Formats: sequence, C-alpha cells, structure tokens
Amino acid sequence: QQQVRQSPQSLTVWEGETAILNCSYEDSTFNYFPWYQQFPGEGPALLISIRSVSDKKEDGRFTIFFNKREKKLSLHITDSQPGDSATYFCAAMLSGSFNKLTFGAGTRLAVCP
Amino acid sequence: GPKVLQIPSHQIIDMGQMVTLNCDPVSNHLYFYWYKQILGQQMEFLVNFYNGKVMEKSKLFKDQFSVERPDGSYFTLKIQPTALEDSAVYFCASSLRQNSGNTLYFGEGSRLIVV
Repeated sequence: QQQVRQSPQSLTVWEGETAILNCSYEDSTFNYFPWYQQFPGEGPALLISIRSVSDKKEDGRFTIFFNKREKKLSLHITDSQPGDSATYFCAAMLSGSFNKLTFGAGTRLAVCP
Repeated sequence: GPKVLQIPSHQIIDMGQMVTLNCDPVSNHLYFYWYKQILGQQMEFLVNFYNGKVMEKSKLFKDQFSVERPDGSYFTLKIQPTALEDSAVYFCASSLRQNSGNTLYFGEGSRLIVV
C-alpha cells in the first residue's frame, strides 16, 4: 500500500513551459512535505518543502500548492529549463518522527530545449 | 553544499555473504539514516541512529541488518547474511537535528546486487 503517490511517472515539457508534478498522500497525520530533486548518479537533494499549515510555498521558479482537505499537493516549475531535467520525489512525514520520510516513487521530468 | 559520501558505489555479492556499506556523513551532523530503494520503486526508510543508538527502525530492517558508528568514524550498514531481496540501492543520509524542516542530506547511494 503506497502512502504517497506521485503522478505522472514521467513528464516531458518544452523549455519555458510550466511543469506540474502531482502528489497525494493517505496518512492525515503527515504535516511536513519536502520535495527532493535527484539527478542521475547523484543522491536526492532537498528542493523545497511545505508544512501543512500553509497552502502555498514559493521559491524562485518552484512553487508547492497544498490542499489539506484533499490530501494533495503539487509542484509547479515555471519557465522550465533543460537543467531542471531530473527525477522529483514527493515525501511526507509527521513532525517529531525522527525524519522518517515516506517517499513517493518519483516523477521523471524531461525539459526539451 | 554539504556532502555525504558512500562507499562502495557498487557491490556484487554472493547470497549468504556479509556486506558492509559505509557512509561518511556531513561532519557536524548528529542524526544518521539509511533508506532502501529497489529498482523502479520509492525510497523506503530503514533506520535512524543518534548518539550511538537506533532511534527507530522499519519492518524492512530485518534481524540480519545492523548499524553502528564506532568512534565517530563511518556510519555503517551491515547485512549478514545477505539475501536476494536485499538487492537495492541503499542511501545514507544525515541531518543536524531530527525535527521537520531540518534538511536531510543524502549520499549518492550504494548499489548492492546479491546473486
């Protein structure tokens, strides 16, 4: 049973477009949601995160939209660049759980020039 | 930025043998983690470790698994004996603190193939 689901599995956009990556979760106790970016051959790196008390978090071209009622969130990457091509993992945890993250299976993003 | 180093990057091992995966965490970090990723699936939490002790472990952390960090050296994951289903990429991570919002830094992973 997957606690965190991501869609689509893979996504291709053109340079300059907005990429939208979706994530949903089942455990309503989760209250912290980081997104990790992973390039081939590297480990995942924290990109941006949001707490459940917020419905939006923005950092440059990256924005998380969070809907607590529907237990859904999405990562929007505006003005996508070829350098954004990577796998993006949505994760979730309960504060105080010793950083026990539950990860989704990832969305592989390709940005074509 | 801060780096977590993992050694080896790849290892092929015969079923039943012992393997030790090594992790050099970020220098001032106090909390250490192992995650397991089977090919094509999500990363799954195995264990976290603080002050010489396992704080929490998942059901994936079988009896054949053990972790330690002797004298502030490498943080290690040992599997003895290995089984075919242990084939996966194992990611080590570290953090300064354990609360949410405290960034986990991941290594590049150790790919283990058990044959």
